Amino acid sequence: QVQLVQSGAEVKEPGASVKVSCKTSGYTFSNYAIHWVRQAPGQRLQWMGRINAGDGNTFYSQKFQGRVSITTDTSANTAFMELSSLRSGDTAVYYCARLLLSLAGPYYDYWGPGTLVTVSS
Amino acid sequence: EIVLTQSPGTLSLSPGERATLSCRASQSLTNNYLAWYQHKPGQAPRLLIYGASFRATGIPDRFSGSGSGTDFTLTVSRLEPEDFAVYFCQQYGYSPQTFGQGTKLETK
Repeated sequence: QVQLVQSGAEVKEPGASVKVSCKTSGYTFSNYAIHWVRQAPGQRLQWMGRINAGDGNTFYSQKFQGRVSITTDTSANTAFMELSSLRSGDTAVYYCARLLLSLAGPYYDYWGPGTLVTVSS
Repeated sequence: EIVLTQSPGTLSLSPGERATLSCRASQSLTNNYLAWYQHKPGQAPRLLIYGASFRATGIPDRFSGSGSGTDFTLTVSRLEPEDFAVYFCQQYGYSPQTFGQGTKLETK
């Protein structure tokens, strides 16, 4: 069965960087894109960016441009999201999700359980 | 970007009752590209409905989606104890994709 397992919670100081992993299993990793979405306390989900696992092509939200980097380790079927120059507003739960391309459009069919990142001095 | 507004914010019902959740888009959605997810604390969100009305694999038929254009509805015909959770909608027809703020379905 398809599974997305994320790394554990992180506490970071302002200005630091965080790297969250998303280890996948149960499907051919290179056939799908992985997206990253976050939810800050009391806020709605916010799309951050995506990577096509097959060719490594990335596309980022302008809101995070220059601060976010999404990569993969295809040998480990794992995607990574690194966010730099952290500030308190980056405190959020970060989710990875698999994008399914279908006749009904591109939607997320599987998600990870989320990784809490807390930014605090 | 498209804003999705869900209502109500919280819905208090009892098992066996019918739940009706609304998701309204700030503009008409292309091809009704709207999904619904169920989210329980500490768990991965679970896809329920895609394309506004298509049930995802393994989703019980008590869950149904309807609507088009700007107004969409998720209906749970007879609530089971495991259905109490947060539900959110997502539009994926326009970039950037956006999400509703969620409806919390709680036990009355």
